[in-house]
Amino acid sequence: DIQMTQSPSFVSASVGDSVTITCRASQDISWWLAWYQQKPGRAPKLLIYAATSLQSGVPSRFSGSGSGTDFTLTISSLQPEDFATYYCQQTSSFPNNFGRGTKLEMK
Amino acid sequence: EVQLVESGGGVVRPGGSLRLSCAASGFTFDDYGMSWVRQAPGKGLEWVSGINWNGSRTGYGDSVKGRFTISRDNARNSLYLQMNSLRAEDTAFYYCARVMGGWGQGTLVTVS
Repeated sequence: DIQMTQSPSFVSASVGDSVTITCRASQDISWWLAWYQQKPGRAPKLLIYAATSLQSGVPSRFSGSGSGTDFTLTISSLQPEDFATYYCQQTSSFPNNFGRGTKLEMK
Repeated sequence: EVQLVESGGGVVRPGGSLRLSCAASGFTFDDYGMSWVRQAPGKGLEWVSGINWNGSRTGYGDSVKGRFTISRDNARNSLYLQMNSLRAEDTAFYYCARVMGGWGQGTLVTVS
């Protein structure tokens, strides 16, 4: 099975800051990586698929990069609605494991 | 608009069974792979099971392998999860999710 290591677990930032979250796969997954945002009491929302492709309707301040085993999600110019928990997920092969999540908190 | 509506959750005794259903609408169901993802209260996301567009390929997480079975009925635009030999640690919200985006609101399964 492919394991996903996500870091950091928590990050504290202010409105207007830029934040980067990283995700490492235990083996090469090419571009088969997705990023999700989840707010309390809500279902997750797809932000990025295929490592770098922005899902329709997602603001352009969200961007993804990487391939192979190392990936990043960058949120530039944080907005109040961006404070949430973020997860990566590999979609290369079953089981499509998730990372443990990164909680983005307001400083 | 993609709509996924889960049903079938509830309270069940350890060792019992439940069958979850997910009704899909707003897209061509048999164009997409589907999955079940769960989340225990206050915990992270755990991928449970996935199925390709026609049901010929399925996969399971290690914690449910041999106990859960995923299936789909493309004629009914529906996804299912048969859960047997349930354990306390299976207690969670269960989400139906479409590959490439789209999640239901979840159904709560409590094993107690």
